[in-house]
Amino acid sequence: DGGITQSPKYLFRKEGQNVTLSCEQNLNHDAMYWYRQDPGQGLRLIYYSQIVNDFQKGDIAEGYSVSREKKESFPLTVTSAQKNPTAFYLCASSGPTSYYTGELFFGEGSRLTVL
Amino acid sequence: GNSVTQMEGPVTLSEEAFLTINCTYTATGYPSLFWYVQYPGEGLQLLLKATKADDKGSNKGFEATYRKETTSFHLEKGSVQVSDSAVYFCAPPMDSNYQLIWGAGTKLIIKP
Repeated sequence: DGGITQSPKYLFRKEGQNVTLSCEQNLNHDAMYWYRQDPGQGLRLIYYSQIVNDFQKGDIAEGYSVSREKKESFPLTVTSAQKNPTAFYLCASSGPTSYYTGELFFGEGSRLTVL
Repeated sequence: GNSVTQMEGPVTLSEEAFLTINCTYTATGYPSLFWYVQYPGEGLQLLLKATKADDKGSNKGFEATYRKETTSFHLEKGSVQVSDSAVYFCAPPMDSNYQLIWGAGTKLIIKP
């Protein structure tokens, strides 16, 4: 079945450490997104990529970095510069027809906790 | 820019009650509209969609009608179940940069 796979589902990090969250999709979608969700709040866009080797900052990119070397993969690194990284992170993608309508396909999410 | 206004939660109902979650939007043109559902600890799933005015999206007993005249896309279900407990997001219309600006969603709690 086609879909988006995020890993790990749960991750614990000590302060000062960088961590990388994986996002892989086999939907053949060009566009991929990373969102952050805090309790009781909506989704906030961290980074997005419309095509391989290209990505743009979203609303809260500070302290995060991404790469898009392959169409299928869009990993997110949470750096030590991110002051409050504890959150639920969601990866999403959109395809050739869904991109222009706004329909997104989501992964199961990764919950990061800083100890 | 494009945006949605969605009723705040939590909304608490008894099983078999009628559900309405209000959503109004502002947008240029006539964008596609979506409702997503997020179960505890999971990602968002598309619940239903409507691609043009007067369309009715439906899935799992939920319905929403795209009303251009009132710029609304209210979510309804005739008889809710405990398993419907989740957070429901009315997705905002895509903006000119093809991005979405999300609201907080509406948490629905169904009591047996």
